Amino acid sequence: GAVVSQHPSRVICKSGTSVKIECRSLDFQATTMFWYRQFPKQSLMLMATSNEGSKATYEQGVEKDKFLINHASLTLSTLTVTSAHPEDSSFYICSASSPQGQGGQPQHFGDGTRLSIL
Amino acid sequence: DAKTTQPPSMDCAEGRAANLPCNHSTISGNEYVYWYRQIHSQGPQYIIHGLKNNETNEMASLIITEDRKSSTLILPHATLRDTAVYYCIVRAPYNTDKLIFGTGTRLQVFP
Repeated sequence: GAVVSQHPSRVICKSGTSVKIECRSLDFQATTMFWYRQFPKQSLMLMATSNEGSKATYEQGVEKDKFLINHASLTLSTLTVTSAHPEDSSFYICSASSPQGQGGQPQHFGDGTRLSIL
Repeated sequence: DAKTTQPPSMDCAEGRAANLPCNHSTISGNEYVYWYRQIHSQGPQYIIHGLKNNETNEMASLIITEDRKSSTLILPHATLRDTAVYYCIVRAPYNTDKLIFGTGTRLQVFP
C-alpha cells in the first residue's frame, strides 16, 4: 500500500530556532499533500494544503509566514516552522493521496513529528 | 464536506466485535465515507472506505445504510491493540480534497 514517510520523528530545540519537517511519498507521486497539527488530547487540525509546483493553501488562522511550505517535487513536501516558540510545540502530521483513480483513493499519513520548543 | 457525529467513547471486551457508529445525515451523493484510527502518538491509519455498498477488508467491515445517512465500522474480533481513537470522515473522491477530522470515538478494548 501507499507509504508516507515523515522526518524527523522528534525535535527538541531552543526558542527562536527554525525547524524543517520533511514528508515523502515513498511509492507514489503526490501532487497534493496536507499538513496537520495536533495538540494534546485534541483532534487533528488541518493547517495547509501543499500543491506541487505552486503556493500552498493555508487554512484560516494559520500564518503562512510562520509555517513555510515547499512542495518542490512530486514526492516531497517540507514544512518549516520559522522562529519557533514554546506555543508552537505540537505534533505535526502530513498526509498524501495516491494518484486519483476509481473509488476515492484514501489519504495516507506519516507517523508525525513531535516538536518541542524549550 | 458533510459533518459527522460519533459517540465520544466506547468500550469493548477483547475478542468481541466492536461496532462503531457514525451519523452523516447531510452526506452528498458523491461523498465517500472514510474511517481512520489513531493510536496514541502515531499518525492516523487508514482502515476502510465506501460509497454505497458494504465493504470488507482484512481490518474491518463497513456497513452503510441504504439512505447513506449513517454507517457502522465493525472490528470483528477486537484486540487490545485496537484501542485507539476512530474517526469517521466524509469526503468527495478528489485527491486534492482535504480531510476534516472531528473528535472521533475513543475505543477502549479491555481484557
